[in-house]
Amino acid sequence: GQQLNQSPQSMFIQEGEDVSMNCTSSSIFNTWLWYKQDPGEGPVLLIALYKAGELTSNGRLTAQFGITRKDSFLNISASIPSDVGIYFCAGGFYDKVIFGPGTSLSVIP
Amino acid sequence: DARVTQTPRHKVTEMGQEVTMRCQPILGHNTVFWYRQTMMQGLELLAYFRNRAPLDDSGMPKDRFSAEMPDATLATLKIQPSEPRDSAVYFCASGFGQGVISEYFGPGTRLTVT
Repeated sequence: GQQLNQSPQSMFIQEGEDVSMNCTSSSIFNTWLWYKQDPGEGPVLLIALYKAGELTSNGRLTAQFGITRKDSFLNISASIPSDVGIYFCAGGFYDKVIFGPGTSLSVIP
Repeated sequence: DARVTQTPRHKVTEMGQEVTMRCQPILGHNTVFWYRQTMMQGLELLAYFRNRAPLDDSGMPKDRFSAEMPDATLATLKIQPSEPRDSAVYFCASGFGQGVISEYFGPGTRLTVT
């Protein structure tokens, strides 16, 4: 069935550095979503992408919907300690949505 | 500050018991989702409703799970009988529109079945 891969699985960065993570699949999607989850809480929607090639920003976050519709990336610029958490991508195709396994981000002050 | 609420936040029960989890979506949202999160399987969509009608429950084990939306302010997820493998965090989320975007997640119900 459909499956999403996220890389890297985890990353440790210095405060102030830029971060890049991506999400790939062998299947096409017509929506890509990025969420952040803090421990003990529900995911928070960061960015939603609706068409191939779309590039969308939300503050220091930028995400793109891949041209092939099989991938998406998320960039975080000038990381800060509160960026720590698990970042999930999700692909939507009509009435289905699947989530990736997540990228765990740690920020070293 | 509108938010999705879920009750209970924690539930410990014995195998074979019935478990009911409740969710109050954000007022005005027309789509309600139920998810399950485990370390092994990650975040999985179990079922969702639009305008209170069930749209997709293909992710839900039908023999023991049931989801309902008796009114626009309440969604329920029931497990009967519960099994240890049902131990997980169950999230409710809501959104507005025609797609599968969960705009706001609740805090989750952590279920432990012994």
